[in-house]
Amino acid sequence: GAVVSQHPSRVICKSGTSVKIECRSLDFQATTMFWYRQFPKQSLMLMATSNEGSKATYEQGVEKDKFLINHASLTLSTLTVTSAHPEDSSFYICSVRGTSWDTQYFGPGTRLTVL
Amino acid sequence: GQQVMQIPQYQHVQEGEDFTTYCNSSTTLSNIQWYKQRPGGHPVFLIQLVKSGEVKKQKRLTFQFGEAKKNSSLHITATQTTDVGTYFCAGGNTGNQFYFGTGTSLTVIP
Repeated sequence: GAVVSQHPSRVICKSGTSVKIECRSLDFQATTMFWYRQFPKQSLMLMATSNEGSKATYEQGVEKDKFLINHASLTLSTLTVTSAHPEDSSFYICSVRGTSWDTQYFGPGTRLTVL
Repeated sequence: GQQVMQIPQYQHVQEGEDFTTYCNSSTTLSNIQWYKQRPGGHPVFLIQLVKSGEVKKQKRLTFQFGEAKKNSSLHITATQTTDVGTYFCAGGNTGNQFYFGTGTSLTVIP
């Protein structure tokens, strides 16, 4: 299966700063990547679908100006949390869809803590 | 929007007992996937079901997709301590986006 990495694995930042999270598909060219958010002891919530070379598609209720997604290449998608606030503290996970569209491979996640 | 619920939210079983988690969608699904997430880890893909009424088995795990493609179940026979974790279903729509269920946290007591 596809190997997906995320960087950083953990980040602590001050309120009001912006944080960039990278998601890389190491051995697979991914035209589509997905970004999820998971609060403690809760389920994963799909935030947006990242499409290589085009604008991301955001789920209802997710602010596109706050969560900027850039999918500039077939192996890299970035999520930037702009002007982060404590309520943005969460576990952010990306995923890559397999070639046959019947599997999904998740990155290890990024734990964001906003002070 | 699409809602996917799972029951129970938590389940404690003695090692060797069986375990079942049920997944229900508010809308008809194109397909459904199941994942396992260990504490502190990320979701690991287990299986995908596509056909109405489909049943798939992986060793002690049995996955079922309902006839109406709105519900699914995961059954584990004779649980082991290695089965501990949270099991999520994820319902897929025609746009190939997946919406995760609320999850069932399984604890296996040795």
